[in-house]
Amino acid sequence: GAGVSQSPRYKVAKRGQDVALRCDPISGHVSLFWYQQALGQGPEFLTYFQNEAQLDKSGLPSDRFFAERPEGSVSTLKIQRTQQEDSAVYLCASSRGGVSGSSYEQYFGPGTRLTVT
Amino acid sequence: GNSVTQMEGPVTLSEEAFLTINCTYTATGYPSLFWYVQYPGEGLQLLLKATKADDKGSNKGFEATYRKETTSFHLEKGSVQVSDSAVYFCARSGNTGKLIFGQGTTLQVKP
Repeated sequence: GAGVSQSPRYKVAKRGQDVALRCDPISGHVSLFWYQQALGQGPEFLTYFQNEAQLDKSGLPSDRFFAERPEGSVSTLKIQRTQQEDSAVYLCASSRGGVSGSSYEQYFGPGTRLTVT
Repeated sequence: GNSVTQMEGPVTLSEEAFLTINCTYTATGYPSLFWYVQYPGEGLQLLLKATKADDKGSNKGFEATYRKETTSFHLEKGSVQVSDSAVYFCARSGNTGKLIFGQGTTLQVKP
C-alpha cells in the first residue's frame, strides 16, 4: 500500500513568507508526528496528533509554527514569517497505535526540504 | 538536551568487517528503543527495536540488545556490506509515543 507522502518535496521561501507543508499519512493510522531535521542532526520532535486531536505540541519552537489535522487524516504544518533558522527538512511520520502504543513503528515520509533565503 | 547519544561518525569500514555503533540513553522508566536507518536518497526506516530490558532486536543481520543496567542499545553486525552504507539513528520513545533521536552516525563501507 501507499506509504506516507509529503508535499512539496522542496520549498524555497524568502524570509518573512508563510509556508504550508502537507502530510498524507498511511490510511487508518491513528497517530501522526512532525519532526524537524537540521543538516547533520537527528530529527527533533515538533508535535503529535492522535486522530484530529493535537495532544502534544511541546516541540514547536515558536508561535510562528502551527499544525493541524482537522479530519484526523491529512495534516498541515504552517510556518509564518519564515526565518533562516527555519531551514531544515520537515519529516512527517504516522503509526497505527495511539498514545499508549509507544512500541508501534512510525513510518516516515520523504520529508520536505525548506530553504529560507 | 538530547537524551540519546551516539558515537560520532563517520565510521569507515572495509566490506566484511565487524560493526559496532554505540548508543546510550537517559530516561525515566523503561522506554522502547529503536534503530532507524536512512539510505542515500531515501527516507527514514525502522531497522530494529526492543521494548523491554534484555530484549534483542534483529533485522538484516543487525542486532542490538536493550541493556538497562548500562542504559545502552549498541548496534552490531558481524559482516558489513557496501549496501549497508547509510546514516544510522538510535532513538528512544518519549511520552505520547514521540521518538527522541540521537544525532546519527554515518557508516561508509568500502569494497
